[in-house]
Amino acid sequence: ETGVTQSPTHLIKTRGQQVTLRCSSQSGHNTVSWYQQALGQGPQFIFQYYREEENGRGNFPPRFSGLQFPNYSSELNVNALELDDSALYLCASRVGPSTDTQYFGPGTRLTVL
Amino acid sequence: GESVGLHLPTLSVQEGDNSIINCAYSNSASDYFIWYKQESGKGPQFIIDIRSNMDKRQGQRVTVLLNKTVKHLSLQIAATQPGDSAVYFCAEMSASGGSYIPTFGRGTSLIVHP
Repeated sequence: ETGVTQSPTHLIKTRGQQVTLRCSSQSGHNTVSWYQQALGQGPQFIFQYYREEENGRGNFPPRFSGLQFPNYSSELNVNALELDDSALYLCASRVGPSTDTQYFGPGTRLTVL
Repeated sequence: GESVGLHLPTLSVQEGDNSIINCAYSNSASDYFIWYKQESGKGPQFIIDIRSNMDKRQGQRVTVLLNKTVKHLSLQIAATQPGDSAVYFCAEMSASGGSYIPTFGRGTSLIVHP
């Protein structure tokens, strides 16, 4: 196991609702990234946080937002959920933003009805 | 936009065979490349990486080859085992604002038959 944990494991929401997903980074890691993985696809980069600041963002709308806390745990918030938001949401942590090896959590499976 | 893709969505092999998984990339400015293995119900797991100034790198039972001329990457798994069954992704890492941002391909499903 990587030491990265995510909660909840599964979640069902309806269109228009808001959701918060949580990630606990591996000890000593100050950088966390979030990804969206649709069924049968590779992970798509959402954004990255380093020392509580967003320092990289993929092609996702502003309704996808995040937070990183002083203990380097992190949240992903999605507002105004759409059906296409149904996916596996992965977080990954690493020692620093310029290091290569990142460790993924098991993901949160979000279903939007 | 730039993208990373895979040639074969599914690869079936017999236990003990060697497996080769291919990947094409389009961003010639990418600094390095990573192969990940993702088992069902788990997040991607780092296998091996290779810098853009290298053309080959070996790990335990795995070898990654990089051909920058044709923008092609491959992962070779020697003596494939049933435990190697998973989806394999290549990802290209591009520098952006002091950080490395990954772009993943779609993935190849490797099925190893005992």
